[in-house]
Amino acid sequence: QKEVEQNSGPLSVPEGAIASLNCTYSDRGSQSFFWYRQYSGKSPELIMFIYSNGDKEDGRFTAQLNKASQYVSLLIRDSQPSDSATYLCAVFMEYGNKLVFGAGTILRVKS
Amino acid sequence: NAGVTQTPKFQVLKTGQSMTLQCAQDMNHNSMYWYRQDPGMGLRLIYYSASEGTTDKGEVPNGYNVSRLNKREFSLRLESAAPSQTSVYFCASSEWTGGRSSSAFFGQGTRLTVV
Repeated sequence: QKEVEQNSGPLSVPEGAIASLNCTYSDRGSQSFFWYRQYSGKSPELIMFIYSNGDKEDGRFTAQLNKASQYVSLLIRDSQPSDSATYLCAVFMEYGNKLVFGAGTILRVKS
Repeated sequence: NAGVTQTPKFQVLKTGQSMTLQCAQDMNHNSMYWYRQDPGMGLRLIYYSASEGTTDKGEVPNGYNVSRLNKREFSLRLESAAPSQTSVYFCASSEWTGGRSSSAFFGQGTRLTVV
């Protein structure tokens, strides 16, 4: 079992729709969760971080964390073509004190 | 404020050659990481250093060695490069305490080709 799992996609949504990206993780003791966006040929850039169960909103982005289910998600409202990128879920593992990434989900927003 | 500086940006090696990728951060972070990224595989952890003076293997350590030279610098060495090591390499740093971590800051990446 991989430590952090994501559906690789691609996920295609029409412009203006909600994109929902999901991630599961194996270390039940994990406390820090991150979503990064990566454009082709560029370094990952942070979109959201979340530490506590529930929802955290920042503009068009909402991160959701459910520690009991070991599940974290990212919602992107009013999706724009500029949101087309690879979205990487990262989890700071209590076991080993290391930051582990999922394989990433490719998002395509069609105008 | 440079953040994470990673060199070189591009490199072509012949099979069997060695090289060292350099990484330095100026944010006083305790953790530093080396990842490789291949198409469709996200960022895979090669080695990391959770604090100055420690290093640990990640998911794909074979063929690599690392040195945490001081708190700022963390280098990755390929002793005998193989075509399977053709990839994009990212260095990153973050600060963790009490089981929680800040977000990671990334270098610009090194595009390595082994022929």
